[in-house]
Amino acid sequence: GALVYQYPRRTICKSGTSMRMECQAVGFQATSVAWYRQSPQKTFELIALSTVNSAIKYEQNFTQEKFPISHPNLSFSSMTVLNAYLEDRGLYLCGARDWGSYEQYFGPGTRLTVL
Amino acid sequence: GDSVTQTEGPVTLSEGTSLTVNCSYETKQYPTLFWYVQYPGEGPQLLFKVPKANEKGSSRGFEATYNKEATSFHLQKASVQESDSAVYYCALSPYGNEKITFGAGTKLTIKP
Repeated sequence: GALVYQYPRRTICKSGTSMRMECQAVGFQATSVAWYRQSPQKTFELIALSTVNSAIKYEQNFTQEKFPISHPNLSFSSMTVLNAYLEDRGLYLCGARDWGSYEQYFGPGTRLTVL
Repeated sequence: GDSVTQTEGPVTLSEGTSLTVNCSYETKQYPTLFWYVQYPGEGPQLLFKVPKANEKGSSRGFEATYNKEATSFHLQKASVQESDSAVYYCALSPYGNEKITFGAGTKLTIKP
């Protein structure tokens, strides 16, 4: 079956430091990966959509300078939160779209706590 | 831009009662509509999706009809179970667009 893994599941970082999170698609080829953030008491906000061999498209209020993304192949993507502050805490979700079925599968998320 | 509005939670029901979670949407494009369910500590899981107007989606006893005229996609279940306790998200994705816009979520708690 199609699965999406995310690493780490939980992480804590000091204010002003950076942390990297990873997303792995297993059992399918992910033509695109969408990164979302679920802040406390809020719904999922799209950060950026990454398609292999295309430019990464960031949503308003999110920038490459703050959330650089790497998407080197059809099964892996990573995103870094640079200079994390309190407002960056939340659950970061990776949604990978299956090239064959066009279904989008979500991982369990990386929960970021900023001290 | 696109938006999704759904019943504000939390919603608490007794086992065996019926459920309706309202969902309305706004978009200038023709969307596919989704219901996702999220359990504690997990990412959202697709409950079902409906790509065409006037069609119904269903899974695990839940169902919703894509009403294009009313721009609604209400989630219903005739008899809820304790295991249905979770957060439910209504969402849309315009045709040809990979972005999914989620509603705020409705936390559902079912008491035995």
